[in-house]
This record gives sequence, C-alpha cells and structure tokens, in this order.
Amino acid sequence: DAGVTQSPTHLIKTRGQHVTLRCSPISGHKSVSWYQQVLGQGPQFIFQYYEKEERGRGNFPDRFSARQFPNYSSELNVNALLLGDSALYLCASSLAFMTGGYTEAFFGQGTRLTVV
Amino acid sequence: AQKVTQAQTEISVVEKEDVTLDCVYETRDTTYYLFWYKQPPSGELVFLIRRNSFDEQNEISGRYSWNFQKSTSSFNFTITASQVVDSAVYFCALSEAGFYNQGGKLIFGQGTELSVKP
Repeated sequence: DAGVTQSPTHLIKTRGQHVTLRCSPISGHKSVSWYQQVLGQGPQFIFQYYEKEERGRGNFPDRFSARQFPNYSSELNVNALLLGDSALYLCASSLAFMTGGYTEAFFGQGTRLTVV
Repeated sequence: AQKVTQAQTEISVVEKEDVTLDCVYETRDTTYYLFWYKQPPSGELVFLIRRNSFDEQNEISGRYSWNFQKSTSSFNFTITASQVVDSAVYFCALSEAGFYNQGGKLIFGQGTELSVKP
C-alpha cells in the first residue's frame, strides 16, 4: 500500500510569491494534517482537515490556508512568501475514527521549501 | 498549555552502548497520548510508539523500550545495544484527546539528534 505522498519534494520560490503544496493520504484515511518544520526544530502544527472541513488550526498567519478534496487529498497554500517560510512541510494522514480510540498519524516525506 | 521538552539536543554514542532519550511533557488534560517518532535524514517521520495517559505499563520492542512515569510527566526512550542505523533525530510528541482530534494536532519536542558511531 502506498504511504502518504507529497509533491513536490523540493521547491524554490522568491519572496512575495505564492506556493501550493499537495498531499495524498493513505487510502482510507480521512484526516489530513499539515506541519511546518524549520531546520533544527520540531514540527509545528498548521492545520487539520477531516471530511473536508477544518478541524484545527495552529498559530500561523492568514497567509497560510488549506483545503481537503472529496478524495481526501489536500493542498496547503502559502501567500506572500517570506524568507522565514523556508522549511520542511510535512503532511500526515490518519483514519480518524469518530468514536473513541486514537489513530496514529502517518507522515509523508515532506516538501522542502526554500524562499530566496 | 501543552508543552514537550527534550532537553538533550545531541547525543553521541559508540555502537553497542545503551542510550536513553529524555522527554518531559506538560498538559492539563487528564486524557492524552504520548508518542515517539524517528526522523532519518530523508525527512519522513516514522512512528515508533503511542501511549495513552491511562496506561503506564512500560513497553519493550526488540532493542527499544519506553518508560512512562505520570508522576514525573516523563516518557523516556531507551535504545539497548545501539547500532549505526539508529542514527537519526528522535521526537517526543503529545496529543490531547478530543472528539475531532483523532490523529490531529501533535505537539512535538525540539528533538534529540542521536549519532551512533561504529
């Protein structure tokens, strides 16, 4: 079975530009979360989407937005890029049972974004 | 507020040594989950273990073992007889329980970079 896939793997953008990162969850997984990992730090939560609705948002500016499609894939959009947006962007998917329990988040290999 | 602290930024050991990675967490929730993830140079976070707040039983999986102590809010990870392939960054993470937070928000520590030398 395919794991979480992200595209592109690497990206170089100029300050002020816009970027779209894509994520395909594991088949059957309905929850997708996005994380930003700056070099030398732990991942920081950006968004969670479940059944195409935003379920959680981290402490990120409105320049960051996301959406989830009917096939549960997701896009992360970042507008007006800043140098500080340079990071590894990780997508995670999970089954997300709605009644009790907990399901592990499985991560993709990430998109490494460099803003110059 | 929730917080995870991994005080060890870098650890270097020689192959076959045992090594313990420390993790201390803060939360006001009574129900929560703790995790360890491994991040090799490729970047993908590899899930190692999950523990819920009601299960303080220690766990052993091969050369890996985890010690969860609620009294000290710690969830430490020990690798026995370390190998070069264990070299990676290891992250401890915390997640609050919630109706919609199923597999959602994880709070990560800063990570511990483990280097195992031959």
